Amino acid sequence: DAGVIQSPRHEVTEMGQEVTLRCKPISGHNSLFWYRQTMMRGLELLIYFNNNVPIDDSGMPEDRFSAKMPNASFSTLKIQPSEPRDSAVYFCASSIGLAGRSQETQYFGPGTRLLVL
Amino acid sequence: AQSVTQLDSQVPVFEEAPVELRCNYSSSVSVYLFWYVQYPNQGLQLLLKYLSGSTLVKGINGFEAEFNKSQTSFHLRKPSVHISDTAEYFCAVTPSGGYQKVTFGTGTKLQVIP
Repeated sequence: DAGVIQSPRHEVTEMGQEVTLRCKPISGHNSLFWYRQTMMRGLELLIYFNNNVPIDDSGMPEDRFSAKMPNASFSTLKIQPSEPRDSAVYFCASSIGLAGRSQETQYFGPGTRLLVL
Repeated sequence: AQSVTQLDSQVPVFEEAPVELRCNYSSSVSVYLFWYVQYPNQGLQLLLKYLSGSTLVKGINGFEAEFNKSQTSFHLRKPSVHISDTAEYFCAVTPSGGYQKVTFGTGTKLQVIP
């Protein structure tokens, strides 16, 4: 299995631009997570999907952030408009996630390093 | 709510020496505990997890951790480290039963010195 795939790996953009991050979870996994990692705040959960449905979006910072999962093999995280404080590494993770069991191992992608100038 | 404390932000250790990375958690309910490792420029991967049963959990790459309920700790240990163990290690906690958000600690950078 190729593992969790994220694209792009690096993104540099200017403030005010729209940014779209993409994730392909491991085939057969039912749960998908988007995290943000910064030096100041560590690893934060942004949103969690189970069976393509958003279950917990309490970590989404504000309306500028949105996430979708149109099918079991694809998810996007969009920032519009982007700001310098959004600069971070964004990780996507997936798990088997049967009925939302939190003991399942999460498998992380390599991350997207975002720099907003 | 749950919280995780990793008191040591960095731990330098000589190659082939033992190491212990400390993790303490806070929760009013029973929990599951995890250790993840992050190598440079990579995502996190699971080292080991405690769900129930034996309090000594063995993981990959020779690591083990011991769950201590009375001290609310889940310290990670390895008897002899290798250069390749240089990475950042994250302790994580989630309430047991159903979906609950996994809370990660701030991480401990292990630097193995040749």
